[in-house]
Amino acid sequence: QVQLQESGPGLVKSLQTLSLTCTVSGGSVSSANFYWSWIRQHPHEGLEWIGRVSYGGTTYYNPSLKGRVSMSLDTSKNRFSLRLTSVTAADTAVYFCASSEMTYYGSGIYRPQGFDSWGQGTLVTVSS
Amino acid sequence: DIQMTQSPSTLPASVGDSVTITCRASQSISTWLAWYQQKPGKAPKLLIYKASNLERGVPSRFSGSGSGTEFTLTISSLQPDDFAAYYCQQYDTYSWTFGQGTKVEVK
Repeated sequence: QVQLQESGPGLVKSLQTLSLTCTVSGGSVSSANFYWSWIRQHPHEGLEWIGRVSYGGTTYYNPSLKGRVSMSLDTSKNRFSLRLTSVTAADTAVYFCASSEMTYYGSGIYRPQGFDSWGQGTLVTVSS
Repeated sequence: DIQMTQSPSTLPASVGDSVTITCRASQSISTWLAWYQQKPGKAPKLLIYKASNLERGVPSRFSGSGSGTEFTLTISSLQPDDFAAYYCQQYDTYSWTFGQGTKVEVK
């Protein structure tokens, strides 16, 4: 079972860049069998998928955040990262990293099974 | 983007009840849908994937069904540990989205 741990500053100043890292154990960020995602949850609200990164550094982002978000893999340290630029108070949230293991469904179809492992989450507060 | 709409937003229930949560997609997602349970201060936990497949270790009182645009999560014989928030999530397209959540609370 993959285990994930988020790390990074809990306080970021307005208009600066939020940077978080997720360290992976029990799996490899170099594996083609996983997607690695970031998800956030505003206080007392629902879940928002931020984006994902996968083997070779392929990324997909939530269109609502596109232009401010980037993700990357660090294969030497088996971790992946999130950068969110020009943050405002609206970016204050608990940030989770999560993994999705791929499953082969036949006929050339590989799909994830949802987010099957999660980090514990880290609260990031944007201050003015 | 595919929009996911859950109902109800809040579901008062008692231990032993059978409860059903509905999730509707704004366009067909086949069966590429997952359900999660989240308790306060904790990360979500995967319950169901591909609409109806029970994740390992999840009690059999949880079940999922549906395809296309309409899906349900049913908890038969609600247990005290099941009072929590539940979210659906589609992964049909490149951009993944969650429903807004349903809170199962004590009646």
